[in-house]
Amino acid sequence: IQMTQSPSSLPVSVGDRVTITCRASQGIRTDLSWYQQRPGKVPRLLIYAASTLYRGVPSRFSGTGSGTDFTLTISSLQPEDFGTYYCLQDYNYPYSFGQGTKLEI
Amino acid sequence: QIQLVQSGAEVKKPGASVTVSCKVYGDTFNNYMITWVRQAPGQGLEWTGWISAYNGLTNYGPKVQDRVTLTTDRSTTTAYMALTRLTSDDTAVYYCSIRYCNTTSCFEYWGQGTLISVSS
Repeated sequence: IQMTQSPSSLPVSVGDRVTITCRASQGIRTDLSWYQQRPGKVPRLLIYAASTLYRGVPSRFSGTGSGTDFTLTISSLQPEDFGTYYCLQDYNYPYSFGQGTKLEI
Repeated sequence: QIQLVQSGAEVKKPGASVTVSCKVYGDTFNNYMITWVRQAPGQGLEWTGWISAYNGLTNYGPKVQDRVTLTTDRSTTTAYMALTRLTSDDTAVYYCSIRYCNTTSCFEYWGQGTLISVSS
């Protein structure tokens, strides 16, 4: 299953509302996760099952979607949110990541 | 609390093989499914494979499926990823991770990553 994220990079500012989309090449129900990765750091799970916020993740992060189209929204960007975001389909094997969306100042 | 501790960085020559270990601290190792993900320098995340510690069932990513073997050792609660016929394209940080879910929530843990450099 091919996962296509858009945009690949996004210039943003603190306080912005940010939306990242991920499209699957076939339906994956709600079997989609979102990750954040800061430079040099381990990926961090933000959302699983398309819309379930992982423990400890701030409520400004939210996820929606099902089937083939998914969205990650950050309601008000904070300085610690800069980095690269990835979607992952965990519907069937082999799992696959999107190519990433880099949030840039 | 689960902790994953990976083996250290290695430098290999093209054509060689490498094995990365992932020691899992925490109970119920046999219940876990260990996922491996790699990331080449400046590139995105690539799902590399998965193994069930319960029954050894595996699934591999398309780019490595002919060269990778995932195993686990229940006695030491350690997972291993072996990769053969290395090329420069295999230069990457390799991560192991575990996600498990109960009836209400999922929990996910990652190792610190292991840098494998392939160079002549």
